[in-house]
Amino acid sequence: DVVMTQSPLSLPVTLGQPASISCRSSQSLVYSDGHIYLNWFQQRPGQSPRRLIYKVSNRDSGVPDRFSGSGSGTDFTLKISRVEAEDVGVYYCMQGTHWPFTFGPGTKVDIK
Amino acid sequence: EVQLVESGGGLVQPGGSLTISCSASGFTFSNYAMHWVRQAPGWGLEYVSNINNNGYTTYYTDSVKGRFTISRDNSKNTLYLQMSSLRPEDTALFYCMKDVGSVAGWDFDYWGQGTLVTVSS
Repeated sequence: DVVMTQSPLSLPVTLGQPASISCRSSQSLVYSDGHIYLNWFQQRPGQSPRRLIYKVSNRDSGVPDRFSGSGSGTDFTLKISRVEAEDVGVYYCMQGTHWPFTFGPGTKVDIK
Repeated sequence: EVQLVESGGGLVQPGGSLTISCSASGFTFSNYAMHWVRQAPGWGLEYVSNINNNGYTTYYTDSVKGRFTISRDNSKNTLYLQMSSLRPEDTALFYCMKDVGSVAGWDFDYWGQGTLVTVSS
């Protein structure tokens, strides 16, 4: 199985400041069609996960533009340009290129 | 509005069996593949299983293969996960998710709220 790692696992941030989460895969996530199926999910406390970003850098409908994704191959990043209180939660990367799909361990974002 | 409501979770002894369900509404259930993902308490997410829209094609992660069976009843808009030979490490919140297409893939757009399965003596 493809192993997904994230860093940091805990990220205290100051409101209004940027935040960055790294995600790495144990093998390339480039599929035979040339696409990279790397998604980012946000799980707020007590809620189900919701997808923020799909295929590395595409924001889902309704996701604020302060969230952005980037990366290629095996290294990916989720950035929050200015953290707001509603961004508190756990963020997971997930690869959908290889079966079984696998998730990173999660990065817990909270406010300092 | 798309809604996915899981049910059927509970406490079961190791080695026991349990079937959980996911009732779907707000979309044409028979047109879409469905997935199960689980989350052990305090832990991350693990992909479990999927089924295509017609129920003929299924997939299981290795840790549940031979013990879990995914199925669907399109006339009842319901997805099922039959679990047997349950182990303590199967304890988790089980989420069902809707795919964006008829063939299960990487793109799931809605999640349910989850149902908790606890395996303990």
